[in-house]
Amino acid sequence: DVKVTQSSRYLVKRTGEKVFLECVQDMDHENMFWYRQDPGLGLRLIYFSYDVKMKEKGDIPEGYSVSREKKERFSLILESASTNQTSMYLCASGRDRRSPGEQYFGPGTRLTVT
Amino acid sequence: GENVEQHPSTLSVQEGDSAVIKCTYSDSASNYFPWYKQELGKRPQLIIDIRSNVGEKKDQRIAVTLNKTAKHFSLHITETQPEDSAVYFCAASSPLTGGGNKLTFGTGTQLKVEL
Repeated sequence: DVKVTQSSRYLVKRTGEKVFLECVQDMDHENMFWYRQDPGLGLRLIYFSYDVKMKEKGDIPEGYSVSREKKERFSLILESASTNQTSMYLCASGRDRRSPGEQYFGPGTRLTVT
Repeated sequence: GENVEQHPSTLSVQEGDSAVIKCTYSDSASNYFPWYKQELGKRPQLIIDIRSNVGEKKDQRIAVTLNKTAKHFSLHITETQPEDSAVYFCAASSPLTGGGNKLTFGTGTQLKVEL
């Protein structure tokens, strides 16, 4: 049973703070993804990674960075949080970069920036 | 890049009726089309998917159809039940030039099944 966990369910930060969101998967998946979910906008891809030390920009990378030092862990970093980054953040993992397949989602982190 | 449009944004049906959600995509190279269900306060979970070499797939009360020529795919739920109430997301997976694939999601459909 695939398990994807995220470090916090709820987080409140102040404008300008550096924010770290962590995601861990226990199924040895190659692929990991960070999305943000906003009402009426669906899930939008921020960054993804197919391997350790590797990262690729998604559709909305501005204001974010990521780190993948270990295969099982993918971190999303908000260098200087702003109120427009208030959102639900979802991490996901997937098996194989060569063939598209199911993505397994974490429970989400609801981030509020005040 | 890929663009996925999903309609309707909200759908209300009576229990036992059928529900249909439609999506269109723009990238003709997209080759994998999953549907995710997200119940209130829960994470999205895959309910059915279809690959570009297949026109239709069925799993009990759920079916998905794909028309590659028209670049649209649909989710059909028959004999709806209250537990089908959720937000449904379609997605399209397009290949990347450097290898790998990227999922682009639709904006979601809030399905409400009324007793």
